[in-house]
Amino acid sequence: TQLLEQSPQFLSIQEGENLTVYCNSSSVFSSLQWYRQEPGEGPVLLVTVVTGGEVKKLKRLTFQFGDARKDSSLHITAAQPGDTGLYLCAGDSGGSNYKLTFGKGTLLTVNP
Amino acid sequence: NAGVMQNPRHLVRRRGQEARLRCSPMKGHSHVYWYRQLPEEGLKFMVYLQKENIIDESGMPKERFSAEFPKEGPSILRIQQVVRGDSAAYFCASSFSGPGRQETQYFGPGTRLLVL
Repeated sequence: TQLLEQSPQFLSIQEGENLTVYCNSSSVFSSLQWYRQEPGEGPVLLVTVVTGGEVKKLKRLTFQFGDARKDSSLHITAAQPGDTGLYLCAGDSGGSNYKLTFGKGTLLTVNP
Repeated sequence: NAGVMQNPRHLVRRRGQEARLRCSPMKGHSHVYWYRQLPEEGLKFMVYLQKENIIDESGMPKERFSAEFPKEGPSILRIQQVVRGDSAAYFCASSFSGPGRQETQYFGPGTRLLVL
């Protein structure tokens, strides 16, 4: 069974701070996705990373896929209260190309 | 362009009743996936369907759960004789095409099922 471990589980910071959350696995994924989920809503896709070592930027968010395609990180610069939410990573094993494996998420709270 | 629609958003059932959860995929999408999110757990894949076909139901409990995606109308996830352990958020996702391509799955808002 493939597992994705996300850390930290909870993170509470002040507006303007930087933060990094991690998504780790012992398995190789053909691609990895990051989602943000707000209370009472479904996950919304932020980015998909495919190539080992790939770095993608989305405004203040920087996503990195590990060289071995087993881990990923999300770095947020100058966090804002609007960044508050549950950040989920999900891996696509490549064997099925549809059966996503999700981590439990990092619940981020950005205080004004 | 409307996103993935799910209804009802909240559903309360007593033990032993049936629960029917509906999912309308995004326009033009013919691939539907159901996931379950238990409290304190990550989303878990349940089933993948195309129109009139179940492609992979390896994540579905063997009993009481069934899914369909008819030629016309929404996809339905049906849970018979619900038990308290079925209480969870059930999410549907859809994509334009399926395996073999890196197709994005777009998620609906989910149905929160509470079994009393």
